[in-house]
Amino acid sequence: NAGVMQNPRHLVRRRGQEARLRCSPMKGHSHVYWYRQLPEEGLKFMVYLQKENIIDESGMPKERFSAEFPKEGPSILRIQQVVRGDSAAYFCASSQTSGNTGELFFGEGSRLTVL
Amino acid sequence: GENVEQHPSTLSVQEGDSAVIKCTYSDSASNYFPWYKQELGKRPQLIIDIRSNVGEKKDQRIAVTLNKTAKHFSLHITETQPEDSAVYFCAASQDAGNMLTFGGGTRLMVKP
Repeated sequence: NAGVMQNPRHLVRRRGQEARLRCSPMKGHSHVYWYRQLPEEGLKFMVYLQKENIIDESGMPKERFSAEFPKEGPSILRIQQVVRGDSAAYFCASSQTSGNTGELFFGEGSRLTVL
Repeated sequence: GENVEQHPSTLSVQEGDSAVIKCTYSDSASNYFPWYKQELGKRPQLIIDIRSNVGEKKDQRIAVTLNKTAKHFSLHITETQPEDSAVYFCAASQDAGNMLTFGGGTRLMVKP
């Protein structure tokens, strides 16, 4: 089992550009979570998705950020018109079931740097 | 929503000593409390977790205690080793999904 796969691992963008971060959950996992980690800080919940559905996006900024988890393919976190404050590590995690009956597995993260 | 406070933010111990990290949470409905270890530049990895129906859980050198009345839980690492050096995060969640709320992290340094 390859684990949670995220790409790219590192991404550099200039202000105003778009960033797309991809996450393939572990095999058999249908629940995906995105977290953001600023340097020297904890992990902040952004969004929780199941296939084709956004379950909870209470942690997502209202503008410029969107997420999807299509029927086929990876989950994508999209950040439009990036600003310097978007520089962070974005971690994806997956679980097999909802509820805390299963461990949350994290990917290695995508580190976004906005110049 | 849930708020998780963690302290200390940094902890330095001598190899072989014990380390204790404490967390408090605000939402009495939370019933799942995992601890994650994150090495520099790596993914957070679950090291131990506890559910609200138990007060203590142990796994070799690591133990976690939970006081639901006081809404706090703690991580205890005994006989620390240099490879225990990392950032440790506590978290809390309810049954509905695994939307974990994380504490701010504790940077543990174990000096040889």
